[in-house]
Amino acid sequence: GQSLEQPSEVTAVEGAIVQINCTYQTSGFYGLSWYQQHDGGAPTFLSYNALDGLEETGRFSSFLSRSDSYGYLLLQELQMKDSASYFCAVRDNNAGNMLTFGGGTRLMVKP
Amino acid sequence: DADVTQTPRNRITKTGKRIMLECSQTKGHDRMYWYRQDPGLGLRLIYYSFDVKDINKGEISDGYSVSRQAQAKFSLSLESAIPNQTALYFCATSEDLAVEQFFGPGTRLTVL
Repeated sequence: GQSLEQPSEVTAVEGAIVQINCTYQTSGFYGLSWYQQHDGGAPTFLSYNALDGLEETGRFSSFLSRSDSYGYLLLQELQMKDSASYFCAVRDNNAGNMLTFGGGTRLMVKP
Repeated sequence: DADVTQTPRNRITKTGKRIMLECSQTKGHDRMYWYRQDPGLGLRLIYYSFDVKDINKGEISDGYSVSRQAQAKFSLSLESAIPNQTALYFCATSEDLAVEQFFGPGTRLTVL
């Protein structure tokens, strides 16, 4: 099976940088995705890493180390609107390329 | 206009009742998914469908069934609802082999 671990809560101040870590265990790792979900809203796709390294999309970056079964989401220049839950999700080719989600990290951005 | 819609958005029902949650999409995607979200557990896959003739069980299919009536429609049924099926249910779609999944707004189901 698959399992993912990420912190349940992170707090940071506006303008700061925050890193949300994700470690995973899976038998057929294919890639790691990140989704954002605001309270009362639907998850929305942020990024995907299949290869080691850093992917940058504006203020958000995502990193993957396949050898360490580890990834992180980096949010820079935090804004109040970044307060949300962030989920990592593993794409597993031994599970029909389906996504298995972590429990989510609730990010609270304070003024 | 929303690309992935779910009805109803909220539903309260009683133990033992049959419930159907509906999902429609205008994205033209072949792949559709049903997830359940509980606090602290992320999203868990209930069923998925790669096309109209293809239905597959996910991680937590017990107590649920689905129907793919058309490319655009994927329904989730609870044959006899129980209180521990109280949760937020999301439908999602994706293109074949695509990384990104597109989620509907969710249905909040409460079973009393």
